[in-house]
Amino acid sequence: NAGVTQTPKFRVLKTGQSMTLLCAQDMNHEYMYWYRQDPGMGLRLIHYSVGEGTTAKGEVPDGYNVSRLKKQNFLLGLESAAPSQTSVYFCATSGPNSNQPQHFGDGTRLSIL
Amino acid sequence: AQKITQTQPGMFVQEKEAVTLDCTYDTSDQSYGLFWYKQPSSGEMIFLIYQGSYDEQNATEGRYSLNFQKARKSANLVISASQLGDSAMYFCAMREYTGRRALTFGSGTRLQVQP
Repeated sequence: NAGVTQTPKFRVLKTGQSMTLLCAQDMNHEYMYWYRQDPGMGLRLIHYSVGEGTTAKGEVPDGYNVSRLKKQNFLLGLESAAPSQTSVYFCATSGPNSNQPQHFGDGTRLSIL
Repeated sequence: AQKITQTQPGMFVQEKEAVTLDCTYDTSDQSYGLFWYKQPSSGEMIFLIYQGSYDEQNATEGRYSLNFQKARKSANLVISASQLGDSAMYFCAMREYTGRRALTFGSGTRLQVQP
């Protein structure tokens, strides 16, 4: 099983461009999350979803939008990329039990010039 | 709000020795989970160990153990018999038991194992 798959793995954008990061899971998990990781910091929650058709803001949602039209996919969009959004983005999923770990994708390294 | 503090930006340990990575947390929740993740230089996040707030015994997973002291709000990771492959970033994280059930991460500790 693939688990949690993120595409693309790397991307370079110019300021003002838009793009969508895709997270796909085959674990049938309800909960899905987008985090960003910046140098010297832990992962911070951008947006999350507790089920198909639902999304909500995390700690650092500004400049991002998300959609979860299908249970297995969670999309993160940047409408107008800014250099401050240069980061590594991780998608994670989990089942309903809070004692279960979140499963992470391998990350997307995004650079905004 | 939850907060995780890891006060050791970097640690060195000799191969085959044990090492303790510190983690303290702050929360007003009665129920929560504490997790440790490893991030090697390749970048993926690898789950290591979990401790529930109501677990009476410290968690162990192979060479990893979690020294949980609830009254002191600490959840230190102990790695026994360090190996060169243990060199990585280590993150302590707390998970909410209700609502969004998201993880709150500390800033991490970079561990370097020396031969």
